[in-house]
Amino acid sequence: DSGVTQTPKHLITATGQRVTLRCSPRSGDLSVYWYQQSLDQGLQFLIQYYNGEERAKGNILERFSAQQFPDLHSELNLSSLELGDSALYFCASSGASGAETQYFGPGTRLLVL
Amino acid sequence: GQNIDQPTEMTATEGAIVQINCTYQTSGFNGLFWYQQHAGEAPTFLSYNVLDGLEEKGRFSSFLSRSKGYGYLLLKELQMKDSASYLCAVRDSNYQLIWGAGTKLIIKP
Repeated sequence: DSGVTQTPKHLITATGQRVTLRCSPRSGDLSVYWYQQSLDQGLQFLIQYYNGEERAKGNILERFSAQQFPDLHSELNLSSLELGDSALYFCASSGASGAETQYFGPGTRLLVL
Repeated sequence: GQNIDQPTEMTATEGAIVQINCTYQTSGFNGLFWYQQHAGEAPTFLSYNVLDGLEEKGRFSSFLSRSKGYGYLLLKELQMKDSASYLCAVRDSNYQLIWGAGTKLIIKP
């Protein structure tokens, strides 16, 4: 158990809908990262937050947005969902310095029908 | 651009040794990471190298040569549970992780 929690574990929705994925980092970690992993594909970095502020942006679509709240939990919002958005979405967290190891949550499996 | 190369798939026999290579071209270097990922599960941290040389951790060892832009993960006494994908990642000068596509390791009895 990495100490990173994600909810929900599974999500099934329809095209055009909007969903919110939630992540709570390990105790003491200030950085949160979001990744997308499609079937049999590598990890695609989406976005990083550090202590409530956006720190880095990867290949995140305009339909996707994220935020980190004062209690350091983070939410990833996916809107106007398409079939191709079906994937595993992982959250990871790391310590204050940013120069530390990322630890991953169990992921949310999203299926868009 | 930044690039991490590792083999797509490797096959090895239970009890044997396997070496998974990773070469990188990145904007700066602040460490090379290895993660293990079983199908449908989260990546789990295996090792971290920032200085040249070999780091040994039980059955798993990791090596780095910064001058060659190269590292490898060595798995000894392979067990069936080692069947997984192994992800190489490099932290660049901005402290961002650049990920390889992963190497799927298949262990045969």
